[in-house]
Amino acid sequence: QVHLVQSGAEVRKPGASVKVSCKTSGYTFTGYYMHWVRQAPGQGLEWMGWINPTTGATTFAQRFQGWVTMSRDTSISTAYVEIRSLKSDDTAIYYCARGLNSGYPFYLYLDVWGQGTTVTVS
Amino acid sequence: IQLTQSPSFLSASVGDRVSITCRASQGISTSLAWYQQKPGKPPTLLIYGASTLQSGVPSRFSGSGSGTDFTLTISSLQPEDFATYYCQQVISYSPLTFGPGTKVDIK
Repeated sequence: QVHLVQSGAEVRKPGASVKVSCKTSGYTFTGYYMHWVRQAPGQGLEWMGWINPTTGATTFAQRFQGWVTMSRDTSISTAYVEIRSLKSDDTAIYYCARGLNSGYPFYLYLDVWGQGTTVTVS
Repeated sequence: IQLTQSPSFLSASVGDRVSITCRASQGISTSLAWYQQKPGKPPTLLIYGASTLQSGVPSRFSGSGSGTDFTLTISSLQPEDFATYYCQQVISYSPLTFGPGTKVDIK
């Protein structure tokens, strides 16, 4: 059974950084792209970008370029997102989500999601 | 690519047939997915490719449309279907975008 288990809630002050992890199990980690999506309180879904776990290549939504980093550790089947220079409007639930499969455009559909990590900037 | 959904809020009863519309700001072929999100939970994938039912999703859910206009239909609303529904376009990942959501509530 496929599982994505994220790290626990974080509280940071404005200007700080935070790194969220997403540990996977039940499938071949390098076989599926990993996306990050965030959801501000009471708001909709905002796609941040993805990482190719095999190569480490990343693609970001333009608004996240330069202050968000995505990485992975294939030895422990875990993906990470790091957000720097946090602002209060970065307060949100951050989700990792797996691409449906490796072919285009199916890796852009998100079939398994982590439980979410609440990041509070205050 | 901008996505709009209508209605933004829908009140319905168990057993009702419910339809939600998603409109894209430009043609996206059939590159659209639908997700369901319940309070305090992550979204779940219902439909991709505009009309392909994700494995394990009940057959009362169906999707249709192509180009700019898409519809998610629930043929007979069940108690567990009260949730918020989002569409997502995947034809452009600069960026991938979601619709604003449609909340389905109990009448």
